[in-house]
Amino acid sequence: EPEVTQTPSHQVTQMGQEVILRCVPISNHLYFYWYRQILGQKVEFLVSFYNNEISEKSEIFDDQFSVERPDGSNFTLKIRSTKLEDSAMYFCASSVQRGAAYNEQFFGPGTRLTVL
Amino acid sequence: QQQVKQSPQSLIVQKGGISIINCAYENTAFDYFPWYQQFPGKGPALLIAIRPDVSEKKEGRFTISFNKSAKQFSLHIMDSQPGDSATYFCAASPTNFGNEKLTFGTGTRLTIIP
Repeated sequence: EPEVTQTPSHQVTQMGQEVILRCVPISNHLYFYWYRQILGQKVEFLVSFYNNEISEKSEIFDDQFSVERPDGSNFTLKIRSTKLEDSAMYFCASSVQRGAAYNEQFFGPGTRLTVL
Repeated sequence: QQQVKQSPQSLIVQKGGISIINCAYENTAFDYFPWYQQFPGKGPALLIAIRPDVSEKKEGRFTISFNKSAKQFSLHIMDSQPGDSATYFCAASPTNFGNEKLTFGTGTRLTIIP
């Protein structure tokens, strides 16, 4: 069964460093998302991406964040200068159909980001 | 107005019992209500979802009950099994034809004891 994959599974970085989290969405999907989950808290929407541009972003997704689909398979989240409060589990998700309502979002296993 | 409130925070149910998790929302633009199941170290996985045009949806042991006037919906797990032990999140989204931004509840940690 197709699945969303994410690398790395755990990333440790120093405050102020740049990190890139990578995702490979399901191959025929058209919509891509990043969510984050701070330990013990709810899952929060960061950004959605369609047709090589951001569709919607939350107030969390400030200028330090960017997303890119550099090729036909990868979808990346970059944090330019990490802060302690960026420590969280980051989930990538994808969904399939354009023009159909209520598309199921398939989530990857997540990348745990630890900022020291 | 964007929040989805979920209760209880944790729940312990005996094997074979009924697990009930409740959610409430305020944003009337929400019209898609999925429930996600998350095991430790894994991403959320869609369990069951409902649209507001029906009051109940059942899939196997899992049932969503939806009360549009009260803006509440709940997940019932019948004949709960130890394998159901996980964290459950309700979520809500307005229809956006493929670009659904999910707003999640705070999660319920369910433990099924033998």
